[in-house]
Amino acid sequence: GAVVSQHPSWVICKSGTSVKIECRSLDFQATTMFWYRQFPKQSLMLMATSNEGSKATYEQGVEKDKFLINHASLTLSTLTVTSAHPEDSSFYICSARAFLQGYQETQYFGPGTRLLVL
Amino acid sequence: QKEVEQNSGPLSVPEGAIASLNCTYSDRVSQSFFWYRQYSGKSPELIMSIYSNGDKEDGRFTAQLNKASQYVSLLIRDSQPSDSATYLCAVTRRVNDMRFGAGTRLTVKP
Repeated sequence: GAVVSQHPSWVICKSGTSVKIECRSLDFQATTMFWYRQFPKQSLMLMATSNEGSKATYEQGVEKDKFLINHASLTLSTLTVTSAHPEDSSFYICSARAFLQGYQETQYFGPGTRLLVL
Repeated sequence: QKEVEQNSGPLSVPEGAIASLNCTYSDRVSQSFFWYRQYSGKSPELIMSIYSNGDKEDGRFTAQLNKASQYVSLLIRDSQPSDSATYLCAVTRRVNDMRFGAGTRLTVKP
């Protein structure tokens, strides 16, 4: 299957600082990537859809000025958590859209980034 | 009604048994169906995809799809302790629109 990487895998930061998370598709081009957040023992929550060369589409209730998304190339999307606070501590997972058998759309996930805001 | 529904479990089966995981979806126009496995503390991993009615087998895994009943299932034969994880059902309705169930936690006891 397609490989998606994320960096960093772990980040601990002080409250008020900004944190940037990178998501890369390593062996394919991804015009669309997705950002999810997952709290312990809860399901995936889609935060936004990231489209190469255009503005991201945010889900209802997700602050676009707090979670800045940039998708500047076909293999890289970044999520910046601005002015992070303890309640932003979570597991952030990106995925990239890929096509099975050339036409069936699916998503491959990165390994995730665990953010802890002190 | 949730768009993709799964029994949260936990589902517990003995080693060597068949584990049966079920999922229903609400949107009849759904086109593609996937099962992801998520180990604790890890991200989801795609294990099966199915697009047409019937069964699809891959090793110990069999996905079953019934579009008339809006139902998709995953069977795991000869369950192993390493299969213990949360299994997420995902349904694609249209471009860039994949919906996930909340997941079923499976425990395989040695």
